[in-house]
Amino acid sequence: EVQLVESGGGLVQPGGSLRLSCTVSGFTFTNYWMSWVRQAPGKGLEWVANIKEDGSDKYYVDSVKGRFTISRDNAKNSLYLQMSSLRAEDTAIFYCVRGGGYFDNWGQGTLVTVSS
Amino acid sequence: EIVLTQSPATLSLSPGERATLSCRASQSVSSYLAWYQQKPGQAPRLLIYDASKRATGIPARFSGSGSGTVFTLAISSLEPEDFAIYYCQQRSDWLRTFGPGTKVDI
Repeated sequence: EVQLVESGGGLVQPGGSLRLSCTVSGFTFTNYWMSWVRQAPGKGLEWVANIKEDGSDKYYVDSVKGRFTISRDNAKNSLYLQMSSLRAEDTAIFYCVRGGGYFDNWGQGTLVTVSS
Repeated sequence: EIVLTQSPATLSLSPGERATLSCRASQSVSSYLAWYQQKPGQAPRLLIYDASKRATGIPARFSGSGSGTVFTLAISSLEPEDFAIYYCQQRSDWLRTFGPGTKVDI
């Protein structure tokens, strides 16, 4: 069974940093692009970033470029999202997702709240 | 950025009825379009990819069609569990984008 489990969300002040983690199981991690997708409270879905199987290629939505960094540790079957200079508009549930183009398996999400 | 527009915003139907949801792209995405279903408090689920291919485990009552800039998701006969929000998403451009969603409710 494919499983993706996010952690690391929480309350952070504007301008602060947070690192999200996602541990996967049930599939060969090194065979897949991975992505982060977020959803602000009561809003729609927004793709944030994706990373190639070996970590050599990464892409970001413009609104997070220079502030967020996606990475992976294939030895640990883990995906990460380092977030800095956080803003109120970054408040959202962040989903770890399998795939770089289409997203065929999703974690349960971790809530990031940016507020003073 | 490819902008996806979905209509209607809300579709009010009854179980057993047919649902037809529309997604339009601001420029051609060829057939690189997917549909997702999201229920309250749950993560989205992939239904359709490449415009018309059902994802693993998706019932045959869900079908997708279209290419270029106009796409349709049809649900042939609504089951109670189908009342949810549906999003389209394109992978034609490296900047992946989602539509704003269509809520299917009773």
